[in-house]
Amino acid sequence: SAVISQKPSRDICQRGTSLTIQCQVDSQVTMMFWYRQQPGQSLTLIATANQGSEATYESGFVIDKFPISRPNLTFSTLTVSNLSPEDSSIYLCSVDASEQFFGPGTRLTVL
Amino acid sequence: GQQLNQSPQSMFIQEGEDVSMNCTSSSIFNTWLWYKQEPGEGPVLLIALYKAGELTSNGRLTAQFGITRKDSFLNISASIPSDVGIYFCAGQLRNSGYALNFGKGTSLLVTP
Repeated sequence: SAVISQKPSRDICQRGTSLTIQCQVDSQVTMMFWYRQQPGQSLTLIATANQGSEATYESGFVIDKFPISRPNLTFSTLTVSNLSPEDSSIYLCSVDASEQFFGPGTRLTVL
Repeated sequence: GQQLNQSPQSMFIQEGEDVSMNCTSSSIFNTWLWYKQEPGEGPVLLIALYKAGELTSNGRLTAQFGITRKDSFLNISASIPSDVGIYFCAGQLRNSGYALNFGKGTSLLVTP
């Protein structure tokens, strides 16, 4: 298994600002992902964070809105840019270490 | 990714009852996973299934990987109040991207 931590655990942000979420894993992993969970909904994949290259985004998600960094095999960041109330969600990172494990999530509220 | 069909959407049961939920897909997967999510937490992996027909248990939980590779079910026996949460199925193609396709979740409430 893998132990995953995320910072911050929650935040309240103003419209038009940005929030950067950090994800730290306790072991080196190749596959790291970012998901969004809108209120009362299931999880939707935003992108695969690739170490040493640009992230791979799913349909409906773009790099300008959700820039991702993956500087090494234990760390990634997701930035949610130009925030609007529709971005209010839980953002989760996950890693694939034989099975897929999730961090505790970051609950974002945009006013 | 595709959204899987998960049912029921919610269940309200009494402690001690058995619970069954299932998930279907229009596509085949080579891995099925079941997660539980409690308020304010990330999903926690309960059971992973890797072969068609596989039946796996984890305590009071039992899950099966359907023969067609397009479905899976999860059973919880003798439910207890701490079983409360949202249960998600997820299908994965481990030879193609590794990303998970999730069901919409089954919300389980257990009364003492």
